[in-house]
Order: sequence, then C-alpha cells, then structure tokens
Amino acid sequence: DTEVTQTPKHLVMGMTNKKSLKCEQHMGHRAMYWYKQKAKKPPELMFVYSYEKLSINESVPSRFSPECPNSSLLNLHLHALQPEDSALYLCASSQGRGSADEKLFFGSGTQLSVL
Amino acid sequence: RKEVEQDPGPFNVPEGATVAFNCTYSNSASQSFFWYRQDCRKEPKLLMSVYSSGNEDGRFTAQLNRASQYISLLIRDSKLSDSATYLCVVNGNAGGTSYGKLTFGQGTILTVHP
Repeated sequence: DTEVTQTPKHLVMGMTNKKSLKCEQHMGHRAMYWYKQKAKKPPELMFVYSYEKLSINESVPSRFSPECPNSSLLNLHLHALQPEDSALYLCASSQGRGSADEKLFFGSGTQLSVL
Repeated sequence: RKEVEQDPGPFNVPEGATVAFNCTYSNSASQSFFWYRQDCRKEPKLLMSVYSSGNEDGRFTAQLNRASQYISLLIRDSKLSDSATYLCVVNGNAGGTSYGKLTFGQGTILTVHP
C-alpha cells in the first residue's frame, strides 16, 4: 500500500463547481508534487512544492490552484474546470534533499471527471 | 525528438520468457534514471533505479549507457504478475530544482500470458 494518501479516489464535478483534491504523507518528505495523467499517456508534472514553498509551476492554468498548508499536506483547488481536464491526478512526495537520485513515491490518485 | 523515448510495444510473452525494454533520452545532462511500473488504473511504483555500472534486483536487470544515452530493462523468467506498463523515467538537470523534474517515457505495455 502506498504511504501517500489521496482523497477522494473518484470525483465528478460540473464546470461551475469548486472542489479540492487532498494529499497527505507522513514519511517526513519535504517535497511534494502534483501530476496529471490522461488515459494511455505518461504522467505530466504540474507543480512542485519544496519545504512548503511552490518551486515549480509548469505553466498550469489558473483554474488549478495548489496549496501546501504544512509539510505533510498538499491540496489542489479546482474551479471552473473544462471537460478536457478530466484525468487521473497523482500526488507524489520525495525526501526533498535535492540529490540526483531523488525517488518519488506516488499516491493512488484521484480519477476526476468534469461534465 | 521526445525527451524520453521507449519501445512502443505492446509486448506479449509467455510465462518464463525473457523480455527486454529499451529507452533513449535526449538531455545529456540528465542526472538519474529509473524504471517505474504502472498497473491499469493504479499509480506508478518505483521498480528500480538505473546506474552506469548496471544493477540487478532478482529477475530484473537495468543498464545505463551514458555515451549512447540509452537505458534498458531486462526481465527474466516472466511471471503473470509482471503484466503492467513499464515507464522509463529520467531526472533532468534544472539547477537546484532538478530533483522535481522527472520526465516519463510513453511507457511499454507488457502482457505475460500462461
């Protein structure tokens, strides 16, 4: 079982809804990530938080808003999404030491459907 | 050219077979390399890191050739449970934040049949 926990596992939302995805890890990792994965495609990086500060934003539309309340929690706030945003959203964490062989550990993901 | 390219597959092999996957990467400054496996509708899970000296973990052997920018994964004595998508993953060099920028290959689907 993964040590990175994501909720909810499934989410269906309308284009006018506001929802949030949540991610939690208790491995003492200081880097946390959001990835987006479309069917039959590889994961694509969205955001990286390092020591609770946003360090990478891969030009993600503003309808996706990340938040890192503390070193164990990572949220992704969703507003006014489009149907093409439907995908599997994966959270990951890593030690955050910046070493070359930093390994990422993924949560089981939230399968999002936008109607 | 894609940053990370893999054999398109799919590979369909019988139990007990040996199967090899290849991967090439374009960024010569890449620092580290991994193989992840992903089961259908599940998250990617780290299978093994890949080192220049080559490394082995049970039935799995990974090789890295920096000169050719080529990575391989060999699976011996395939099991039904090895059926999954295998993702070649490269950690690019982006200065101090390089540890965050994993680039995934498209993945190779492996199906092991009885």
